[in-house]
Amino acid sequence: SQTIHQWPATLVQPVGSPLSLECTVEGTSNPNLYWYRQAAGRGLQLLFYSVGIGQISSEVPQNLSASRPQDRQFILSSKKLLLSDSGFYLCAWSQGVLNEKLFFGSGTQLSVL
Amino acid sequence: SQQGEEDPQALSIQEGENATMNCSYKTSINNLQWYRQNSGRGLVHLILIRSNEREKHSGRLRVTLDTSKKSSSLLITASRAADTASYFCATVRGGSQGNLIFGKGTKLSVKP
Repeated sequence: SQTIHQWPATLVQPVGSPLSLECTVEGTSNPNLYWYRQAAGRGLQLLFYSVGIGQISSEVPQNLSASRPQDRQFILSSKKLLLSDSGFYLCAWSQGVLNEKLFFGSGTQLSVL
Repeated sequence: SQQGEEDPQALSIQEGENATMNCSYKTSINNLQWYRQNSGRGLVHLILIRSNEREKHSGRLRVTLDTSKKSSSLLITASRAADTASYFCATVRGGSQGNLIFGKGTKLSVKP
C-alpha cells in the first residue's frame, strides 16, 4: 500500500532563517506531487506541483521554492523565511490524472518568529 | 480566486442525526471532490463526483451535484462523534488542467 511521509510535524524558525521540508511517498511510482499551505481557519492554497522529476510548477509568487530530486521525493525550501510564511504546510500525492483524489501527508506546522 | 464556498461555516449536531453541508462554485467544473480534515492533520479524500454525475454514495456519505445551480451537497447519515472534523469541497475548472481549488470548509461537531 502507498504511504506518504512528511516531516517535521512542527517547526519554529526565526525570521531570515532557511527552511527545508521534506516529503516522500512509498508504494507507487511517478506520482504527481503537491505542496499546499493552509492558513488558520482557511482553505488550502496550492504552492507547487510536480508531474515528474525536475518538473516543478509554481502557482503563487512567493518566498518559497520546491524541488523534486527523486521520483518520490518533494522538498519545499526557503533561503530566508518571512513572518508571513507561517502556516500549516501539507504535502500530497496523486496517481494518474492531475488533481484527482489527492492523498495528503500529516502536515508541518511552521511558526516563523 | 475562491472557487468553492462551503455552507454553513460551522455545524453542530447530536450523534445519530444527519449532517448536510453545501458547496457552491463559480465556473464550470470537471469534477468536484470532498475531503475531510481532523484538527491539525492532513486531509482525507472522501468522494469524487464528475460533472456528468448527479449523485454518488459511499457508505454513510451521499454527495449530490447540480451543475445548473453550480452546487453540491454532502450528506452524512447517522453521524458519529468520530465524524467531527472539517469538510472541504474542491473543484477543478472545466476544460483545463487547472488547479484543485479548495473552499474554506465546514466545521462539523458531532456531540455524543
